[in-house]
Amino acid sequence: QSALTQPASVSGSPGQSITISCTGISGDFGSSKFVSWFQQHPGKAPKVMIYDVSNRPSGVSNRFSGSKSGNTASLTISGLQADDEADYYCSYTGSNTWVFGGGTKLTVL
Amino acid sequence: QVQLQESGPGLVKPSQTLSLTCTVSGDSINNNNYYWSWIRQPAGKGLEWIGRIYTRGSTNYNPSLKSRVTISVDTSKNQFFLELSSVTAADTAVYYCARKSPGYWYFDLWGRGTLVTVSS
Repeated sequence: QSALTQPASVSGSPGQSITISCTGISGDFGSSKFVSWFQQHPGKAPKVMIYDVSNRPSGVSNRFSGSKSGNTASLTISGLQADDEADYYCSYTGSNTWVFGGGTKLTVL
Repeated sequence: QVQLQESGPGLVKPSQTLSLTCTVSGDSINNNNYYWSWIRQPAGKGLEWIGRIYTRGSTNYNPSLKSRVTISVDTSKNQFFLELSSVTAADTAVYYCARKSPGYWYFDLWGRGTLVTVSS
């Protein structure tokens, strides 16, 4: 099982693109296909934005995309909007357990 | 529309056992395509997976909490449960119940969360 490291914060202006990284320190993260990303607004439950590294659930904007290379997964948000301002968490499952990253606060300037 | 709803005491004394219920409405909990998890979030901090249960009864727990956690299910009531023993202030958090998506590996459905405070 691998701990997941995310930057504490990222920021961008409306219309810009940003990328949030999620790095697995050790373990089986590098080979996992089951990486998901969640968006969480203050006081709300998390909402999945990406699953299985790069798939979007129905209803999620195509401005959100995911990728993975080796031990690092990434979430990219293009065309930033004010409502994208939230906390974002990566997650993966391995060895019958789940791990979440520490979260990244996205600020839309 | 399937919904999850957490319930239980909002205040627990140190060293006691925290007990929460998650009620599933709009669908049967007794579906082998799902499993059900508890996840918590201390104020201002990140998410922590606590554990999961299949309706057949098999469980897996976060190794850091395993010695204190029990997750169980009552399919007749469409509910599953969390018990966390010997709580301390560090267990103060919003507790969420969640469902793993059928056929995919992510949590597609979450409850609103319930705040549990550990304090004397």
